[in-house]
Amino acid sequence: DVKVTQSSRYLVKRTGEKVFLECVQDMDHENMFWYRQDPGLGLRLIYFSYDVKMKEKGDIPEGYSVSREKKERFSLILESASTNQTSMYLCASSLGGFGEEKLFFGSGTQLSVL
Amino acid sequence: AQSVTQLGSHVSVSEGALVLLRCNYSSSVPPYLFWYVQYPNQGLQLLLKYTSAATLVKGINGFEAEFKKSETSFHLTKPSAHMSDAAEYFCAVSGGSNYKLTFGKGTLLTVNP
Repeated sequence: DVKVTQSSRYLVKRTGEKVFLECVQDMDHENMFWYRQDPGLGLRLIYFSYDVKMKEKGDIPEGYSVSREKKERFSLILESASTNQTSMYLCASSLGGFGEEKLFFGSGTQLSVL
Repeated sequence: AQSVTQLGSHVSVSEGALVLLRCNYSSSVPPYLFWYVQYPNQGLQLLLKYTSAATLVKGINGFEAEFKKSETSFHLTKPSAHMSDAAEYFCAVSGGSNYKLTFGKGTLLTVNP
């Protein structure tokens, strides 16, 4: 089975801190994604990557950046955390293709910014 | 551009009753459509997907969905609800040369004994 591992289940940070959320997948998937999940808003795409060192903005990229130096690892970076970035962050990966492939999700990181 | 609308943020059914979760989509190209389920404290997992083959798609755990192009709908059904079906369900759409998967806002399913 594909495993998508997010480094932390819960994270508490202070306003203004630089925050790194790490995600690793073990199935050689081409595509990786970062979503945030908020009650009543569903999942919203922050960034995605379809190849190493390739990235594209999703629907809500402001305040975030990403890094994909190796195929298996996709990092989400909050340059200067703010309270409105308190959320559940979900990483996902897919084999490849153009959106027809299923996504495999990690268990999520609940980030609280105080 | 693509979007998904899930009608009803919360659906409550009795155990053994029919489950019907509604999803309407908008897409400028032939869509791929998905239903994902999220159990408490877990990530999402795929229930089923439509990728332009049969319009009636069967998934895991007894769920199925029917693609109706004329109605731009992809509703999820299960004939008889179990307590273990209690979860949040998300409809999603992608299409064309587009890696993006756009999710609906989710429907929380409650199953009463």
